[in-house]
Amino acid sequence: GGIITQTPKFLIGQEGQKLTLKCQQNFNHDTMYWYRQDSGKGLRLIYYSITENDLQKGDLSEGYDASREKKSSFSLTVTSAQKNEMAVFLCASSISGVAETLYFGSGTRLTVL
Amino acid sequence: GDQVEQSPSALSLHEGTGSALRCNFTTTMRAVQWFQQNSRGSLINLFYLASGTKENGRLKSTFNSKESYSTLHIRDAQLEDSGTYFCAANAGAKLTFGGGTRLTVRP
Repeated sequence: GGIITQTPKFLIGQEGQKLTLKCQQNFNHDTMYWYRQDSGKGLRLIYYSITENDLQKGDLSEGYDASREKKSSFSLTVTSAQKNEMAVFLCASSISGVAETLYFGSGTRLTVL
Repeated sequence: GDQVEQSPSALSLHEGTGSALRCNFTTTMRAVQWFQQNSRGSLINLFYLASGTKENGRLKSTFNSKESYSTLHIRDAQLEDSGTYFCAANAGAKLTFGGGTRLTVRP
Protein backbone atom coordinates (compact mmCIF):
# COMPACT_ATOMS: atom_id res chain seq x y z
CA GLY A 1 0.00 0.00 0.00
CA GLY A 2 0.93 3.63 -0.29
CA ILE A 3 0.69 6.74 1.79
CA ILE A 4 0.05 10.43 1.31
CA THR A 5 2.09 12.69 3.58
CA GLN A 6 1.11 16.28 4.18
CA THR A 7 3.39 18.79 5.86
CA PRO A 8 3.08 20.58 8.10
CA LYS A 9 0.16 19.12 10.09
CA PHE A 10 -0.48 22.52 11.68
CA LEU A 11 0.37 25.87 10.10
CA ILE A 12 0.02 29.22 11.83
CA GLY A 13 0.48 32.38 9.82
CA GLN A 14 -0.11 36.09 9.92
CA GLU A 15 -2.70 37.88 7.84
CA GLY A 16 -1.16 38.81 4.49
CA GLN A 17 1.58 36.20 4.73
CA LYS A 18 2.45 33.82 1.90
CA LEU A 19 2.23 30.22 3.12
CA THR A 20 3.09 26.91 1.45
CA LEU A 21 1.62 23.49 2.12
CA LYS A 22 3.28 20.33 0.83
CA CYS A 23 2.02 16.92 -0.20
CA GLN A 24 3.91 13.76 -1.15
CA GLN A 25 2.46 10.43 -2.38
CA ASN A 26 4.19 7.12 -3.00
CA PHE A 27 1.29 5.41 -4.80
CA ASN A 28 2.83 6.43 -8.16
CA HIS A 29 -0.54 8.02 -8.96
CA ASP A 30 -0.86 10.40 -11.92
CA THR A 31 -3.49 12.76 -10.51
CA MET A 32 -3.24 14.84 -7.35
CA TYR A 33 -5.70 17.24 -5.73
CA TRP A 34 -5.94 19.98 -3.13
CA TYR A 35 -9.23 20.41 -1.26
CA ARG A 36 -10.26 22.86 1.40
CA GLN A 37 -12.60 21.84 4.23
CA ASP A 38 -14.16 24.53 6.42
CA SER A 39 -15.35 23.52 9.87
CA GLY A 40 -18.40 21.26 9.69
CA LYS A 41 -18.58 21.50 5.91
CA GLY A 42 -17.84 19.41 2.85
CA LEU A 43 -14.74 19.57 0.66
CA ARG A 44 -14.18 22.11 -2.09
CA LEU A 45 -11.64 21.65 -4.87
CA ILE A 46 -8.87 24.26 -5.10
CA TYR A 47 -6.49 22.82 -7.71
CA TYR A 48 -5.75 19.49 -9.30
CA SER A 49 -3.02 18.13 -11.54
CA ILE A 50 -3.32 15.21 -13.93
CA THR A 51 0.42 14.79 -14.48
CA GLU A 52 3.78 16.36 -13.65
CA ASN A 53 3.83 20.10 -14.47
CA ASP A 54 0.08 20.13 -15.19
CA LEU A 55 -2.27 22.44 -13.23
CA GLN A 56 -6.06 22.69 -13.41
CA LYS A 57 -8.15 25.18 -11.46
CA GLY A 58 -10.92 23.99 -9.21
CA ASP A 59 -13.90 25.91 -7.87
CA LEU A 60 -11.88 27.78 -5.24
CA SER A 61 -8.57 28.63 -6.93
CA GLU A 62 -8.59 32.41 -6.39
CA GLY A 63 -6.00 33.36 -3.77
CA TYR A 64 -4.03 30.15 -4.25
CA ASP A 65 -1.18 28.90 -6.44
CA ALA A 66 -0.11 25.32 -6.93
CA SER A 67 2.93 23.53 -8.25
CA ARG A 68 3.42 19.92 -9.40
CA GLU A 69 7.20 19.77 -9.33
CA LYS A 70 7.32 16.03 -9.87
CA LYS A 71 4.90 13.15 -10.07
CA SER A 72 5.07 12.40 -6.37
CA SER A 73 4.66 15.92 -5.01
CA PHE A 74 2.06 18.67 -5.21
CA SER A 75 2.36 21.91 -3.25
CA LEU A 76 -0.21 24.59 -2.52
CA THR A 77 0.59 28.24 -1.78
CA VAL A 78 -1.77 30.62 -0.05
CA THR A 79 -0.68 33.85 -1.72
CA SER A 80 -1.92 36.23 1.01
CA ALA A 81 -3.44 34.58 4.07
CA GLN A 82 -6.79 35.97 5.24
CA LYS A 83 -8.54 35.38 8.56
CA ASN A 84 -11.59 33.82 6.88
CA GLU A 85 -9.27 31.26 5.36
CA MET A 86 -8.85 29.15 8.48
CA ALA A 87 -9.61 25.61 7.41
CA VAL A 88 -8.19 22.15 6.92
CA PHE A 89 -6.45 21.59 3.59
CA LEU A 90 -6.58 18.03 2.28
CA CYS A 91 -4.38 16.55 -0.40
CA ALA A 92 -5.53 13.52 -2.39
CA SER A 93 -4.37 11.37 -5.28
CA SER A 94 -5.88 8.91 -7.72
CA ILE A 95 -4.46 6.61 -10.36
CA SER A 96 -5.59 8.63 -13.36
CA GLY A 97 -8.43 11.03 -12.55
CA VAL A 98 -11.82 11.39 -10.88
CA ALA A 99 -12.99 8.17 -12.51
CA GLU A 100 -10.77 6.36 -10.00
CA THR A 101 -10.78 6.01 -6.22
CA LEU A 102 -9.35 8.97 -4.31
CA TYR A 103 -6.91 8.50 -1.42
CA PHE A 104 -6.44 11.32 1.08
CA GLY A 105 -3.70 12.62 3.33
CA SER A 106 -4.45 13.53 6.94
CA GLY A 107 -4.59 17.25 6.30
CA THR A 108 -2.94 20.55 7.22
CA ARG A 109 -4.86 22.74 9.64
CA LEU A 110 -4.29 26.42 8.85
CA THR A 111 -4.79 29.14 11.44
CA VAL A 112 -4.40 32.79 10.49
CA LEU A 113 -3.76 35.27 13.29
CA GLY B 1 -26.28 25.44 -7.49
CA ASP B 2 -25.31 22.42 -5.44
CA GLN B 3 -25.04 19.25 -7.46
CA VAL B 4 -24.79 16.86 -4.52
CA GLU B 5 -27.38 16.98 -1.72
CA GLN B 6 -26.64 14.71 1.21
CA SER B 7 -29.10 13.68 3.93
CA PRO B 8 -29.54 13.54 6.80
CA SER B 9 -27.00 16.09 8.01
CA ALA B 10 -26.79 14.31 11.36
CA LEU B 11 -27.79 10.85 12.57
CA SER B 12 -27.68 9.14 15.95
CA LEU B 13 -27.82 5.33 16.22
CA HIS B 14 -27.67 2.87 19.08
CA GLU B 15 -25.09 0.14 18.81
CA GLY B 16 -26.42 -2.80 16.83
CA THR B 17 -28.96 -0.83 14.84
CA GLY B 18 -28.74 0.40 11.26
CA SER B 19 -29.80 3.13 8.90
CA ALA B 20 -29.29 4.59 5.44
CA LEU B 21 -27.56 7.72 4.25
CA ARG B 22 -28.54 9.22 0.94
CA CYS B 23 -27.13 11.49 -1.74
CA ASN B 24 -29.30 13.06 -4.43
CA PHE B 25 -27.75 14.53 -7.54
CA THR B 26 -29.14 17.45 -9.51
CA THR B 27 -27.33 16.35 -12.66
CA THR B 28 -26.41 13.00 -14.21
CA MET B 29 -23.32 11.62 -12.51
CA ARG B 30 -20.91 9.03 -13.91
CA ALA B 31 -19.74 7.59 -10.61
CA VAL B 32 -19.99 8.07 -6.86
CA GLN B 33 -17.53 7.54 -4.01
CA TRP B 34 -18.29 7.29 -0.28
CA PHE B 35 -15.83 8.31 2.42
CA GLN B 36 -15.70 8.14 6.20
CA GLN B 37 -13.92 10.96 8.02
CA ASN B 38 -12.80 9.88 11.47
CA SER B 39 -12.22 11.96 14.60
CA ARG B 40 -8.60 12.65 13.52
CA GLY B 41 -9.84 14.12 10.26
CA SER B 42 -8.58 11.38 7.97
CA LEU B 43 -10.80 10.50 5.00
CA ILE B 44 -11.09 6.79 4.28
CA ASN B 45 -12.47 5.60 0.98
CA LEU B 46 -15.35 3.16 1.52
CA PHE B 47 -16.76 2.58 -1.96
CA TYR B 48 -16.37 3.56 -5.57
CA LEU B 49 -19.38 2.80 -7.78
CA ALA B 50 -20.06 3.47 -11.45
CA SER B 51 -23.35 1.56 -11.13
CA GLY B 52 -25.14 -1.08 -9.09
CA THR B 53 -24.44 -2.22 -5.56
CA LYS B 54 -21.33 -3.07 -3.56
CA GLU B 55 -21.08 -4.56 -0.11
CA ASN B 56 -18.21 -4.61 2.37
CA GLY B 57 -18.84 -6.08 5.79
CA ARG B 58 -21.61 -4.12 7.50
CA LEU B 59 -21.70 -1.48 4.77
CA LYS B 60 -23.59 -1.59 1.50
CA SER B 61 -23.80 1.11 -1.16
CA THR B 62 -26.01 1.52 -4.22
CA PHE B 63 -25.73 3.96 -7.11
CA ASN B 64 -28.69 4.57 -9.39
CA SER B 65 -27.47 6.95 -12.09
CA LYS B 66 -30.80 7.03 -13.94
CA GLU B 67 -32.70 8.19 -10.87
CA SER B 68 -29.74 10.30 -9.69
CA TYR B 69 -29.14 9.02 -6.19
CA SER B 70 -26.83 6.89 -4.13
CA THR B 71 -27.30 5.31 -0.72
CA LEU B 72 -24.99 3.99 1.99
CA HIS B 73 -26.53 1.44 4.35
CA ILE B 74 -24.94 0.71 7.71
CA ARG B 75 -26.11 -2.34 9.66
CA ASP B 76 -25.18 -3.49 13.16
CA ALA B 77 -23.59 -0.13 13.91
CA GLN B 78 -20.50 -0.12 16.15
CA LEU B 79 -18.99 2.71 18.19
CA GLU B 80 -16.06 2.98 15.77
CA ASP B 81 -18.49 3.77 12.94
CA SER B 82 -18.94 7.25 14.42
CA GLY B 83 -17.67 10.04 12.22
CA THR B 84 -18.74 12.06 9.22
CA TYR B 85 -19.68 10.31 6.00
CA PHE B 86 -19.32 12.05 2.66
CA CYS B 87 -20.47 11.12 -0.79
CA ALA B 88 -18.72 12.58 -3.81
CA ALA B 89 -19.71 12.27 -7.44
CA ASN B 90 -18.42 13.35 -10.83
CA ALA B 91 -20.29 14.40 -13.93
CA GLY B 92 -17.13 15.34 -15.79
CA ALA B 93 -13.57 15.99 -14.72
CA LYS B 94 -14.34 17.29 -11.23
CA LEU B 95 -15.49 15.47 -8.13
CA THR B 96 -18.19 17.30 -6.11
CA PHE B 97 -18.69 16.49 -2.44
CA GLY B 98 -21.91 16.47 -0.47
CA GLY B 99 -22.14 18.34 2.82
CA GLY B 100 -21.69 15.19 4.91
CA THR B 101 -23.68 13.19 7.46
CA ARG B 102 -22.38 13.33 11.02
CA LEU B 103 -23.02 9.88 12.52
CA THR B 104 -22.93 9.27 16.26
CA VAL B 105 -23.19 5.69 17.49
CA ARG B 106 -24.21 5.40 21.16
CA PRO B 107 -23.79 2.41 23.50
